[in-house]
Amino acid sequence: QLVQSGGEVKKPGASVKVSCRASGYRFHLYGIHWVRQAPGQGLEWMGWISTYNGNTDYEQKLQDRVIISKDTSTTTVYMELRGLRSGDTGVYYCASEGTYTALSLWGQGTIITVS
Amino acid sequence: DIQMTQSPSTLSASVGDRVTITCRASQSPDSWLAWFQQKPGKAPKLLISKASVLETGVPPRFSGRGSGTDFTLTITSLQPDDFATYYCQQYNHYPWTFGQGTRVEVK
Repeated sequence: QLVQSGGEVKKPGASVKVSCRASGYRFHLYGIHWVRQAPGQGLEWMGWISTYNGNTDYEQKLQDRVIISKDTSTTTVYMELRGLRSGDTGVYYCASEGTYTALSLWGQGTIITVS
Repeated sequence: DIQMTQSPSTLSASVGDRVTITCRASQSPDSWLAWFQQKPGKAPKLLISKASVLETGVPPRFSGRGSGTDFTLTITSLQPDDFATYYCQQYNHYPWTFGQGTRVEVK
């Protein structure tokens, strides 16, 4: 399973770091992705990290503000978003690859409010 | 970036209906196409991967097909639990991209 950290309220311009702890499977086998959803809107892929070698890739419009990292010792992946703005308000999900590398396992979501 | 366009945006249907949702990609994702179901306040749930592979535990009334740039998700006999929003996603090229979603509502 994937268990995410709790919701946070942040001021514009601040940073937030959301954690996603994986358990019940071999951590290094499946990459972990971050997907966000603004209120009432669709799903937006943000980026991912290889839990094997730490390689990352980000959505281009976010790559100046987002960092995805991992701590293999605690099987935890982190997503840090800097320079928060009101448009970053929403639910942030981590998800791991599974069947045919599609996102088969999801965290419960973390609500980030920028106000 | 590969743009994913779903249609319709909203679909009104009744229990027992056969419903089909279409997803068109701006360029081929080579069958690396997934379908998700999302209910309010919940994380998305993977239904289908690789365009047509049903995820374990997903009822067989769900099916996916397609190739190239055109894909469909079909529910053969809509059940009360199926009223939700459905998203397609291509995962062949970064950035991975989602369709805008199709809301299946009670007619």
